Amino acid sequence: QQQVKQSPQSLIVQKGGISIINCAYENTAFDYFPWYQQFPGKGPALLIAIRPDVSEKKEGRFTISFNKSAKQFSLHIMDSQPGDSATYFCAARADTGRRALTFGSGTRLQVQP
Amino acid sequence: SAVISQKPSRDICQRGTSLTIQCQVDSQVTMMFWYRQQPGQSLTLIATANQGSEATYESGFVIDKFPISRPNLTFSTLTVSNMSPEDSSIYLCSVRQGRDGYTFGSGTRLTVV
Repeated sequence: QQQVKQSPQSLIVQKGGISIINCAYENTAFDYFPWYQQFPGKGPALLIAIRPDVSEKKEGRFTISFNKSAKQFSLHIMDSQPGDSATYFCAARADTGRRALTFGSGTRLQVQP
Repeated sequence: SAVISQKPSRDICQRGTSLTIQCQVDSQVTMMFWYRQQPGQSLTLIATANQGSEATYESGFVIDKFPISRPNLTFSTLTVSNMSPEDSSIYLCSVRQGRDGYTFGSGTRLTVV
C-alpha cells in the first residue's frame, strides 16, 4: 500500500518559473511532512517541513502548502533556478511505532536556463 | 543536525557474496534506519535499528538476508547477504534526532555482477 502518492514523476520548468510538486497521503496518523532534495550521488537533504497545525510554511523560495481536510500537501519553488535541478521527495511520518519516514515516489525536476 | 559517515560509498560485488555497510554518526542517536533506493526509485525502509534491541524489519525484508548490528548509539552496520543482481541499489543510513530531525548518509551504491 502506497501511503504517500507524489506527482508529477518529472517536471521541466524554465528559469524563473514556478515549480509545483504535489503529494497526497492516506494515513491520518501522519503528523510531520518534510520535503527532501536529492542530487545524483548524494543522500536526501531536508529542504523544508511542515506540521499539520499550519496551512503554509515559507522558507526563502520554497513554500509548503498543506490541506489537512484533503490530505494533500505541495511544494512550490518560486523563481526556479538551474541549480534547483534535482529529485524531490515528499515524505510523511507518524509519531508512533517505528517513527520512520515514508517517502513519495519522487519528482525529477529540470530547470532549463 | 547529525553528520553521518557511510562506508563504503560504492562497491562492485560478485553474486553469492556478502557486503557489510557501516554507518557512523558524530553524536549519539536512539533511532537509526536503513533504506534501499533502487535506481531512479524512491526510498524503501528496510529496518529500524535501536540500540539494545533487535532490529525491526519491514515487510519483504528478512534478517537472514539483511542482518543488522547496532552495538552502540553512534554506529550500525547492514549486511547484504548472498547477493544477487537484484540487490543492486543504493543503501542509505538515516538517523532521527529529537522529534523531527532526520538526517541521511550519502549512501552506498552497490552493484552486483
